[in-house]
Amino acid sequence: EIVLTQSPGTLSLSPGERATLSCRASQSVTSSYLAWYQQKPGQAPRLLIYGASSRATGIPDRFSGSGSGTDFTLTISRLEPEDFAVYYCQQYGSSPLTFGPGTKVDIK
Amino acid sequence: QVTLRESGPALVKPTQTLTLTCTFSGFSLSTSGMCVSWIRQPPGKALEWLARIDWDEDKYYFTSLKTRLTISKDTSKNQVVLTMTNMDPVDTATYYCARGGGEVGAYYFDYWGQGTLVTVSS
Repeated sequence: EIVLTQSPGTLSLSPGERATLSCRASQSVTSSYLAWYQQKPGQAPRLLIYGASSRATGIPDRFSGSGSGTDFTLTISRLEPEDFAVYYCQQYGSSPLTFGPGTKVDIK
Repeated sequence: QVTLRESGPALVKPTQTLTLTCTFSGFSLSTSGMCVSWIRQPPGKALEWLARIDWDEDKYYFTSLKTRLTISKDTSKNQVVLTMTNMDPVDTATYYCARGGGEVGAYYFDYWGQGTLVTVSS
């Protein structure tokens, strides 16, 4: 099983700032099959990024993903008020599918 | 428009069997490449994938829960059913169903239901 570690656990930033979230895998993720999700309280996760760097339909271009192998990054170029949430990475190249523990982005 | 909705009991007793239904629209599970998964999230914790069923009836389960889980589909009703036996308080969680996106065998989750909270308590 591929274990995903996300850092930091919590990121305290102000609107307008840049957010950089990390996801590290315990072994190489096949074909960069890495996705990112955003989850707000009381809501289901929403797909942001798949294939490590492809934005899902309707996702603003301030969200970008990068990385390969075992190290992946989600960047939010300028935080909007609606971006404060928990972000999860997920690998889907190996069974079982696994999620990271999440990074909470909160308002400083 | 793709939508999914989970339904089932909000409260189950320890040792009972949980049955959850995912009713979806906007796609067909008879279409090649389609699949639906169940994922759960204990309160305040991370997401955990549980099971998947593919358009061709192939089924996959999280290894440590495999003996307790059964996933099935009714294509005519656009439904996927998950049963989990021998429920325990640690199984208290919000249970989501989600559609698989991507390539066959390598699925992320592009559409999710709103989730249903299941509490296990006597």
